[in-house]
Amino acid sequence: QVTLKESGPALVKPTQTLTLTCTFSGFSLTASGMRVSWIRQPPGKALEGLAHIDWDDNKFYSTSLRTRLTISKDTSKNQVVLTMTNMDPVDTATYYCARSRTLGGDWVAFDVWGQGTMVTVSS
Amino acid sequence: SYEVSQAPSVSVSPGQTANITCSGDALGDRATYWYQQKSGQSPVLVIYRHTKRPSGIPERFSGSSSGDTATLTISATQATDEADYYCQAWDSTNVVFGGGTKLTVL
Repeated sequence: QVTLKESGPALVKPTQTLTLTCTFSGFSLTASGMRVSWIRQPPGKALEGLAHIDWDDNKFYSTSLRTRLTISKDTSKNQVVLTMTNMDPVDTATYYCARSRTLGGDWVAFDVWGQGTMVTVSS
Repeated sequence: SYEVSQAPSVSVSPGQTANITCSGDALGDRATYWYQQKSGQSPVLVIYRHTKRPSGIPERFSGSSSGDTATLTISATQATDEADYYCQAWDSTNVVFGGGTKLTVL
């Protein structure tokens, strides 16, 4: 069974750095074609892709947030970590991690999601 | 940057067919994905690569795509299908989500 779970602070102050951890099980991020992504959703609003990291350590960041994001992985712990600097109240959202993978030659995006973690940015 | 758009809401009667559309420039040329998000829950993938259904997703859910439009069709809609539905495509390696469509089963 594939599971992902996000963890991190529920409340951060403006200008602080947010660090979120995605701990997963049931698959290996060393396996060819695997990817873990971070996606967020402000209250009542749509989903927004933030960053992803691939099995071969290829990384990608949202164009609009590129300068504030860093993604990394620790395959020995089955974890992916996202840091976001200079947090602002507009960054208040539920942050999800999700797996993507190749399956039978197809790219299957976000086929398993974590439960999400709500982060509020407020002084 | 590439954008896709969805109608904010769609209503359907139980047992009827619901069509939820997603529009974007030449969207039919891009792999399209659909996610169902029930209130207070995480999204669930229901269609990938235009038309394919992940295991465990009922056959009532189907997808199609042509030209500038992708469509998620839910046949014999049930009350449990009431949710927000998001389409998703790729702009190179940048993920693009639609604004979501709230499906109400009246």
